[in-house]
Amino acid sequence: DVKVTQSSRYLVKRTGEKVFLECVQDMDHENMFWYRQDPGLGLRLIYFSYDVKMKEKGDIPEGYSVSREKKERFSLILESASTNQTSMYLCASTSQGAANIRPLHFGNGTRLTVT
Amino acid sequence: AQTVTQSQPEMSVQEAETVTLSCTYDTSESDYYLFWYKQPPSRQMILVIRQEAYKQQNATENRFSVNFQKAAKSFSLKISDSQLGDAAMYFCAYRSAKGGSEKLVFGKGMKLTVNP
Repeated sequence: DVKVTQSSRYLVKRTGEKVFLECVQDMDHENMFWYRQDPGLGLRLIYFSYDVKMKEKGDIPEGYSVSREKKERFSLILESASTNQTSMYLCASTSQGAANIRPLHFGNGTRLTVT
Repeated sequence: AQTVTQSQPEMSVQEAETVTLSCTYDTSESDYYLFWYKQPPSRQMILVIRQEAYKQQNATENRFSVNFQKAAKSFSLKISDSQLGDAAMYFCAYRSAKGGSEKLVFGKGMKLTVNP
């Protein structure tokens, strides 16, 4: 079974702090994603990466950056945390290859509170 | 850009009954994939069922089945013999079949309550 592990289940940070959310997958997946989940808004894509050191902006990248130095690890960085970044953050991964029906595999999520 | 709409934010069903969750999407593409994901309370998001747009046959997975209407751009999920463990948030999602298109577009989700 694919395992996607997010380093923290709950995190509380102060406004202005730099925050790192870590995600590791063990299935050698090329693609990794960071989503933000808010009630009534569903899941919104922040950034994704299809290879080491490659990244692409999703729908809501403002205030975030990412790092992918190793294939198995994809980090989300909040450069200066703000209260409107209080949310549930979900990491996901999937394999590449021919265009077939490949589902996302999700981590357990990190609930971040910025005070 | 593609969009996915789940018009019902909440539904409830009695245990052992059948419930249908609705999803519509908007796309100009002819080839794509559709998914239903389930997120139980405080637990991991998992795949329930998936459908390739080029397949006319509706996907089924045990008690879960879909009604895929390509012309109407509708992708509803039917849960038969509902169980307490089916209580969760359900998300409908779309992905293009174009090479290099890896992003999933999600609906806003629907909370399903199962009453004993």
